[in-house]
Amino acid sequence: SQTIHQWPATLVQPVGSPLSLECTVEGTSNPNLYWYRQAAGRGLQLLFYSVGIGQISSEVPQNLSASRPQDRQFILSSKKLLLSDSGFYLCAWRRTAGTEAFFGQGTRLTVV
Amino acid sequence: GENVEQHPSTLSVQEGDSAVIKCTYSDSASNYFPWYKQELGKRPQLIIDIRSNVGEKKDQRIAVTLNKTAKHFSLHITETQPEDSAVYFCAARGYGSSNTGKLIFGQGTTLQVKP
Repeated sequence: SQTIHQWPATLVQPVGSPLSLECTVEGTSNPNLYWYRQAAGRGLQLLFYSVGIGQISSEVPQNLSASRPQDRQFILSSKKLLLSDSGFYLCAWRRTAGTEAFFGQGTRLTVV
Repeated sequence: GENVEQHPSTLSVQEGDSAVIKCTYSDSASNYFPWYKQELGKRPQLIIDIRSNVGEKKDQRIAVTLNKTAKHFSLHITETQPEDSAVYFCAARGYGSSNTGKLIFGQGTTLQVKP
C-alpha cells in the first residue's frame, strides 16, 4: 500500500531563518506531488506541483522554492522566512494516471 | 490558469436538513472534480468525486452534480448529522499541455450542523 510521510508536524522558526520541509511517498513510482499552504481559516493554496524528477511548476510568486531530488521526495524550502509564511503546509501525491490525491499529515509552521 | 470559486464560505444547518455547496471553475478542459472533507486539525480526505463524462454521482447521503456547460458543480448532503460538521473543499484538475496534473482547490466551506 502507498503511504505519504511529511515532517516535521510542527515548527516554530524566527523571521529570516531558513526552512526545509520534507515529504516522501512510499509504495508507488512517478507520482504527481504537490505542496499546498493553508492559512488560518482559509482555503488550500497550491504552491508547487511536480509531475516528475526535476520538474517543478510554481503557482504563486513567493520566497519559497521546491525541489524533487528523487522520484518520491518533494522538498519545500526558503532561504529567509517571513511572518506571512506562517500556515499549515500540506504535501499531497496522486498517481500519474489516477484521480484521488492523498494528503500528508501537514506541518504547522509558525514564524515568530 | 484554472480558478475555482466556492460558495458559501460558511453554512449552518439543523440536523436532518440538507446542505448544498457550489463551485465554479474557469478551465473548460478540466476533467476531474473531487470533494474533500477536512476535520479540525486534520488532513483533507476525499469524500466523493466526479469525472467530466458524468453528470451526477451519489454515495449514500452525499451526491455531486456537474454542469459542464455552465462550468459548475455542487455537493449535496442530505439528512445532515453533527459529524458532518467540517470544512469542505471542492477542486478541479487541469488537463492539457500546461495544466496536466494541476489540482486547484476552492476556498472551502465551513459546515456546521446543529443538533
